Amino acid sequence: EVQLVESGGGVVRPGGSLRLSCAASGFTFDDYAMSWVRQAPGKGLEWVSSINWNSYTTTYADSVKGRFTISRDNARNSLYLQMNSLRVDDTAFYLCARELPNWSFDTWGQGNLVTVSA
Amino acid sequence: DIQMTQSPSSLSASVGDRVTITCRASQNINNFLNWYQQKPGKAPKLLISAASSLQSGVPSRFSGGGSGTDFTLTISGLQPEDFATYSCQQSSSPPITFGPGTKVDIK
Repeated sequence: EVQLVESGGGVVRPGGSLRLSCAASGFTFDDYAMSWVRQAPGKGLEWVSSINWNSYTTTYADSVKGRFTISRDNARNSLYLQMNSLRVDDTAFYLCARELPNWSFDTWGQGNLVTVSA
Repeated sequence: DIQMTQSPSSLSASVGDRVTITCRASQNINNFLNWYQQKPGKAPKLLISAASSLQSGVPSRFSGGGSGTDFTLTISGLQPEDFATYSCQQSSSPPITFGPGTKVDIK
């Protein structure tokens, strides 16, 4: 079964850091680009960042550029998101997603809640 | 950035109804448009890619159409399991952007 499972969410103060992980199983991980998408409670989906199969290319939404870093470890079938200088408006469920060549997302994790609050 | 809008933002419908949701892009995206279904507390599910290509396993009552800036998602014969939020997403040019979603609930 193709599966993505996120971990690492929690509560952090503004200006703090958090690292999210996404464990992939059931498919050849390094065949795919991967992405992080977030969803504030009760709001729509917002693309955050993507990384290609060999980590050569990474892209970020303007809202997180310079603060977040996406990475992957193909040997461990894992995707990561290092989040620094967190702000209150970063509060959201963070979902990892498998990206198809047409930039659609065909497999998603359940999401991990990140709450930034003083 | 390409802005995506959807209408309506919510609708109430009955089982068996035909429902159409509209998605509009702020500029021409050809057919680089995908549709997702999301139920409360669950991950999104890819229904349709490239505006009209149904994903494997998705019931044929779902259909997508349009090109350029205007797109539709139609559910022909709404089923109880179809009550959910539907979102469009453009994959024409970065950054990837999503519509705000249309919530379909029971009348």
